[in-house]
Amino acid sequence: GQNIDQPTEMTATEGAIVQINCTYQTSGFNGLFWYQQHAGEAPTFLSYNVLDGLEEKGRFSSFLSRSKGYSYLLLKELQMKDSASYLCAVPYGGATNKLIFGTGTLLAVQP
Amino acid sequence: DGGITQSPKYLFRKEGQNVTLSCEQNLNHDAMYWYRQDPGQGLRLIYYSQIVNDFQKGDIAEGYSVSREKKESFPLTVTSAQKNPTAFYLCASSQIGRTSTDTQYFGPGTRLTVL
Repeated sequence: GQNIDQPTEMTATEGAIVQINCTYQTSGFNGLFWYQQHAGEAPTFLSYNVLDGLEEKGRFSSFLSRSKGYSYLLLKELQMKDSASYLCAVPYGGATNKLIFGTGTLLAVQP
Repeated sequence: DGGITQSPKYLFRKEGQNVTLSCEQNLNHDAMYWYRQDPGQGLRLIYYSQIVNDFQKGDIAEGYSVSREKKESFPLTVTSAQKNPTAFYLCASSQIGRTSTDTQYFGPGTRLTVL
């Protein structure tokens, strides 16, 4: 079956670095997505990883290890506006466009 | 300005009434999706469509119906058979097969409250 695990909540300080982990189990791997969702708003796409390694995109980076079924999102130079839920998602069912989402990690950035 | 629109943002209905949520996209995407989001749970797929006049059930399709008469539009009807309809409903769209990502982009959502 398919399963995704993420920590429920995290707290970090403005200007710091935070790592949000995601572990997944899926039959047939077709990549992993990270989305950001502010309260009451739509998720917005952050990153997609299909190969092992780190991909950097400005203050945000995403890492994937397919052998370990593990990914993390790294946020640097945290800003107050980074307070949001971060959702991990993977395709399932042999399709590339049917996604299963984790419950999300609610990040609170404190001054 | 390309994007996905959902209306209304907030919707209130009495128990036993059917209600239709609209979703329109002008991104020329082939696929469209409906999810619901409940507190403490991940997004769950209700229905999806990869081509006009065709759609498939997702994981929680019971009590819902959809249509895809136009590429741009994918309305969702929440019927009286849905036992717990109060939720945040999100529509998304994506390309299919153009790249390996098929990234889904979301509309602003409709918060449905059934009284």
